[in-house]
Amino acid sequence: EADIYQTPRYLVIGTGKKITLECSQTMGHDKMYWYQQDPGMELHLIHYSYGVNSTEKGDLSSESTVSRIRTEHFPLTLESARPSHTSQYLCASSELGGSRGLYEQYFGPGTRLTVT
Amino acid sequence: RKEVEQDPGPFNVPEGATVAFNCTYSNSASQSFFWYRQDCRKEPKLLMSVYSSGNEDGRFTAQLNRASQYISLLIRDSKLSDSATYLCVVYYGGSQGNLIFGKGTKLSVKP
Repeated sequence: EADIYQTPRYLVIGTGKKITLECSQTMGHDKMYWYQQDPGMELHLIHYSYGVNSTEKGDLSSESTVSRIRTEHFPLTLESARPSHTSQYLCASSELGGSRGLYEQYFGPGTRLTVT
Repeated sequence: RKEVEQDPGPFNVPEGATVAFNCTYSNSASQSFFWYRQDCRKEPKLLMSVYSSGNEDGRFTAQLNRASQYISLLIRDSKLSDSATYLCVVYYGGSQGNLIFGKGTKLSVKP
C-alpha cells in the first residue's frame, strides 16, 4: 500500500473562505503532483514539484497555489473558494529517477471539496 | 483532439466474458504507456505497463502499436472484482515529463 495521505477527505465550505488541502507522503519521493478530477471525467494535472522549493503549474489552469518546503509535504491552498472549485483533488507522488520510478505514481485517497 | 482518447463505455459484461479496451494517443513522441485502474470514488492505481512486444499479467494482456499510436487492454475471464474504470496513460517528456491520463473506460461485470 502507498504511504500517501490527504486531509481532509471531505470538505464543505462557503464561498470566499481560504482553504488548504494537505498531502503528505512517507516514501521519500522527490516528485509530487496535484490533480483535479470531476465525477466521470479525466484527471487534470494542476501542479507538480520536483523537490523542495520546486513548484510548477500543470496542464490545467488553476487558481490554487502550492508550496514544497519539506520533501514529504505538498499542501494546496485556495485563497478564496468559489463554487467552480467544487471537485475532487488527488495528490500523488513518484520517484524522480529510474526507469520505472518516473512512471508509477502513487495516489492519495483524495479530498472531495464542495464550495457552497 | 485530446492527447489520449478512450471509449468511455460503459462496458457491461457477464462474468467470464472477455473484454477489450482501446486507446489512441496523439503525440508520436510518447515514450511509455500504462493502464491504471480506478475504482468508484477511489484513487487510480497502476495496473500494468505496456511494452512494445506486448505483455501479459495473468488474465490481463496489453498491446502497443506505435505505428498506429494505439494501445489495448484485454481482460479474459472477467470477475466481478474487475468492475472499475480503466485509464489509458501515456508518458513523454524525458525526465521533465508527466503522465497524461485518458478519461477512462468504465467496466461493469455482472453475475
